[in-house]
Amino acid sequence: GQNIDQPTEMTATEGAIVQINCTYQTSGFNGLFWYQQHAGEAPTFLSYNVLDGLEEKGRFSSFLSRSKGYSYLLLKELQMKDSASYLCAVRDWGGAGKSTFGDGTTLTVKP
Amino acid sequence: GAVVSQHPSWVICKSGTSVKIECRSLDFQATTMFWYRQFPKQSLMLMATSNEGSKATYEQGVEKDKFLINHASLTLSTLTVTSAHPEDSSFYICSASSTGAGNTIYFGEGSWLTVV
Repeated sequence: GQNIDQPTEMTATEGAIVQINCTYQTSGFNGLFWYQQHAGEAPTFLSYNVLDGLEEKGRFSSFLSRSKGYSYLLLKELQMKDSASYLCAVRDWGGAGKSTFGDGTTLTVKP
Repeated sequence: GAVVSQHPSWVICKSGTSVKIECRSLDFQATTMFWYRQFPKQSLMLMATSNEGSKATYEQGVEKDKFLINHASLTLSTLTVTSAHPEDSSFYICSASSTGAGNTIYFGEGSWLTVV
């Protein structure tokens, strides 16, 4: 099975940088996803890491260390619209795309 | 890019009735789709894996006779909530994997079900 941990809530200031951590213990690993979910909406894809290292995509970056079972999502130049829940999900070997989600981190960006 | 469409977005039904939710992959073929349920302020919980042309694989604790899944084509999976009860009220989301787009998983828009 999969066990995924991420902080429940975080608060940051507009324009700042915030790092959301995710640790996992899994029986199988075939990639880690980060999603953004605004209240009442479906998740939207942010990043996918399957190899160790940093993936940068605009204001968002995601890092993975498979040996440590650790990932983080880095958000730069925070905007008010970045206030949302951020979900870490680990993809298993079994099945095409079967993933287990963490409970999500609710990020509040303040002026 | 790849898009997954879900319908209806909102549905209200009476207790005891059945509701069908459709999930379509619009520009790619999805042999496998996934159905999730999400209660307010909680994470996505995988209900079942929908396999084209075969029976769905249900997660532990999910009643297969209550949540009927049909994946009759490579672009359509349906979830039918049978004999719905108020406790079935939730946000239901489907997803599909497009292997041609870096293994990205795309989500439908979600369907809000309210059982009264």
